[in-house]
Amino acid sequence: SAVISQKPSRDICQRGTSLTIQCQVDSQVTMMFWYRQQPGQSLTLIATANQGSEATYESGFVIDKFPISRPNLTFSTLTVSNMSPEDSSIYLCSVQRGSGRSYEQYFGPGTRLTVT
Amino acid sequence: EDQVTQSPEALRLQEGESSSLNCSYTVSGLRGLFWYRQDPGKGPEFLFTLYSAGEEKEKERLKATLTKKESFLHITAPKPEDSATYLCAVQARKGGNTGTASKLTFGTGTRLQVTL
Repeated sequence: SAVISQKPSRDICQRGTSLTIQCQVDSQVTMMFWYRQQPGQSLTLIATANQGSEATYESGFVIDKFPISRPNLTFSTLTVSNMSPEDSSIYLCSVQRGSGRSYEQYFGPGTRLTVT
Repeated sequence: EDQVTQSPEALRLQEGESSSLNCSYTVSGLRGLFWYRQDPGKGPEFLFTLYSAGEEKEKERLKATLTKKESFLHITAPKPEDSATYLCAVQARKGGNTGTASKLTFGTGTRLQVTL
């Protein structure tokens, strides 16, 4: 399994400001993933963060809006920039463990963001 | 484009009343199908990964099965503590070592309520 922690667990922010979310994993992983879960909707991948290289963003998400850092193999941050009410969501960090034909993907507890 | 459809959207069972949740999917080469449980205000909790048609996995009162087009999560004699949203996700088999290869595409979930 994997123990994943996120900070903050929740926040209320004003539009136009930025928030940085931290994700810490209990052991080293190659890739870390950032997902968004909008109210009443399912999870959508924002980007994948590899240590030592730039993050890979999914269609509809851009680095200027969601800059990501990956300074080492157990830590990553996601920044939500210039926030608007549409950014109100739960943001989740995820890691995959295992290889070949046996692997699992674990999620952190999430950061609940409300933008007013 | 990978797609996941879960049914029903919501299910209410009495304690001890067994039932099944459905996850239909289309994917360009399945690498894995994942089941998660999500409680309100929390991140998804990993349950199973299934890799090929015919595979089955069990955990307590839960049993997951997989065909080439769908997966079922069977809940036997459920208890009130099984109440949660159950999420299904697929991961496509793609070449290379990019984040896209490990992307999970989620369904919108089934909200299960088990009453006494």
